[in-house]
Amino acid sequence: GAGVSQTPSNKVTEKGKYVELRCDPISGHTALYWYRQSLGQGPEFLIYFQGTGAADDSGLPNDRFFAVRPEGSVSTLKIQRTERGDSAVYLCASSPTGGRYHTEAFFGQGTRLTVV
Amino acid sequence: DQQVKQNSPSLSVQEGRISILNCDYTNSMFDYFLWYKKYPAEGPTFLISISSIKDKNEDGRFTVFLNKSAKHLSLHIVPSQPGDSAVYFCAASGSTSGSRLTFGEGTQLTVNP
Repeated sequence: GAGVSQTPSNKVTEKGKYVELRCDPISGHTALYWYRQSLGQGPEFLIYFQGTGAADDSGLPNDRFFAVRPEGSVSTLKIQRTERGDSAVYLCASSPTGGRYHTEAFFGQGTRLTVV
Repeated sequence: DQQVKQNSPSLSVQEGRISILNCDYTNSMFDYFLWYKKYPAEGPTFLISISSIKDKNEDGRFTVFLNKSAKHLSLHIVPSQPGDSAVYFCAASGSTSGSRLTFGEGTQLTVNP
């Protein structure tokens, strides 16, 4: 596809379960970002990949959160032992080169995660 | 602590008039600022940016003003159109924050026909 694709669009899970959220970036984009947006708030940075490596994971809230990008394209955000406070929209973005001035970052539509 | 703040959760203007959206920041290390627009059920879309070496950047109907001494920036939309109705996010980055963006809470703009 032409844009950043995130699947699923919506995910409802029970407290304590494990979830995986997938992001397909724009083809050829080396930089990939994950953000989390809670209700009434702006997006909050989680992690940034440059190629296959996590260049900055300082936004991950705790060790229940983990993300991978094994081949430098698709990325998966993994959340273990989900808690109700994890409920949010998880946004993925990609850009051609990354770096500080990622004005060319394109966001996906997000995955709405609800933990019940 | 909220390093980027948008104090107005909502703004309503008439079509054709000017919309002014405001943003304040506290981190003096921020030196690059962006505005994103978000429609419901879509991801944010980049709108316009400004570096701290400038105090104004203009792109068509959109102008961003930066007042470094006040740590304040604003987005002006003129003339406003109904299609501009969306949530607008201010975001910032700095030399110590790498590629991460710090976003404000957003302002819902409604442009009435």
